[in-house]
Amino acid sequence: AQSVTQPDIHITVSEGASLELRCNYSYGATPYLFWYVQSPGQGLQLLLKYFSGDTLVQGIKGFEAEFKRSQSSFNLRKPSVHWSDAAEYFCAVGPSGTASKLTFGTGTRLQVTL
Amino acid sequence: DARVTQTPRHKVTEMGQEVTMRCQPILGHNTVFWYRQTMMQGLELLAYFRNRAPLDDSGMPKDRFSAEMPDATLATLKIQPSEPRDSAVYFCASGSGLAGLSIYEQYFGPGTRLTVT
Repeated sequence: AQSVTQPDIHITVSEGASLELRCNYSYGATPYLFWYVQSPGQGLQLLLKYFSGDTLVQGIKGFEAEFKRSQSSFNLRKPSVHWSDAAEYFCAVGPSGTASKLTFGTGTRLQVTL
Repeated sequence: DARVTQTPRHKVTEMGQEVTMRCQPILGHNTVFWYRQTMMQGLELLAYFRNRAPLDDSGMPKDRFSAEMPDATLATLKIQPSEPRDSAVYFCASGSGLAGLSIYEQYFGPGTRLTVT
């Protein structure tokens, strides 16, 4: 069975600083990987996805993530954080087969200080 | 732009009452998911449908919860009878699963915040 670990429950960064949110997965084959963001009172929004190919993927809002098979990781990065990035971020993994069931991590809450 | 809609956005009800939540997936999406989010449990998958057929409802308490898709434009989640522990935000999401490749990006609705007193 697949699983996702987001080791950081809460992270605080200053506006303009760089950001890296960690995500580790467990899955027997190469999975599909996703990052979602949830602003307060809202549903989840897809930031970016990895299916295959280039291991560095670009997403919306200036985010990127890098798939590292050797480390079973899919960390999310942003070079310069904006106050509007404050939200909760979820990493998710899905089997690379015919099923569509995603397994979500527990989330990392990002706080941005001015 | 296309989006998933959910009604109602907020629902307060008394224990024992029936609750029905509705979801309109994005037109053309063939996969619909129901999630529940709480502080304690996080995001839990309750059930999902593909082409209106239930594929997995193992996350759903069978005795009181039921999920259906009467047609391609409507998914419903029903709780009968409701209990205080059902208080949560319920999200519907839809996705497009392409046959053979199974790409499944999920688009979430804004959620229904349910409070059972």
